[in-house]
Amino acid sequence: DIQMTQSPSSLSASVGDRVTITCRASQSISSYLNWYHHKPGIAPKLLIYAASSLQSGVPSRFSGSGSGTDFTLTISSLQPEDFATYFCQQSYTIPFTFGPGTKVDIK
Amino acid sequence: QVQLQESGPGLVKPSQTLSLTCTVSGGSISSGSYYWSWIRQPAGKELEWIGRIYTSGRTNYNPSLNSRVTISVDTSKNQFSLKLSSVTAADTAVYYCARVNRQNDAFDIWGQGTMVTVSS
Repeated sequence: DIQMTQSPSSLSASVGDRVTITCRASQSISSYLNWYHHKPGIAPKLLIYAASSLQSGVPSRFSGSGSGTDFTLTISSLQPEDFATYFCQQSYTIPFTFGPGTKVDIK
Repeated sequence: QVQLQESGPGLVKPSQTLSLTCTVSGGSISSGSYYWSWIRQPAGKELEWIGRIYTSGRTNYNPSLNSRVTISVDTSKNQFSLKLSSVTAADTAVYYCARVNRQNDAFDIWGQGTMVTVSS
């Protein structure tokens, strides 16, 4: 199975901050990488697919980049509703695997 | 707007079979652009992909669970289901159903999840 890691595991930030989260795959996955946002008790939400494509309806402050093994999710200006856990997922091959998540909380 | 909702028992005894259903509303489960998946997350652990089903009935399962998992679809009810046999405490988790876009294998709509505890 392809192992996914994320860094940092958690971070504290303020509204308006620029936030960057990194995801790394244990082998090359080309651009088959998706990002999600999750709050407890609420359905996870797809933000970015294929490493850099913004899902319909997702604010443009979210962006993704990378290919191969290293990927980045950037939130250009953190909003109150963005405090949540973010996780990545590789869709290169089954079994699909997920990163452990990065929790973003209020500084 | 398509929504997914998981349902089923919240408590299952060890060695028994866990059964969950995902009901799709606001759209047809038979759409050729998507297939359907189950994912779970034990407390404090990573999300784990369980398997997927196409509306043709074709399935793929995670090899770690392969011998115990069955996913089925009922297009007449707009539902798909998960059965996990011979459960142990290690199967205690929040279980999610999700719609997956066939073009990019991204999970574009999720249910809110249902907690299943395996305990006697």
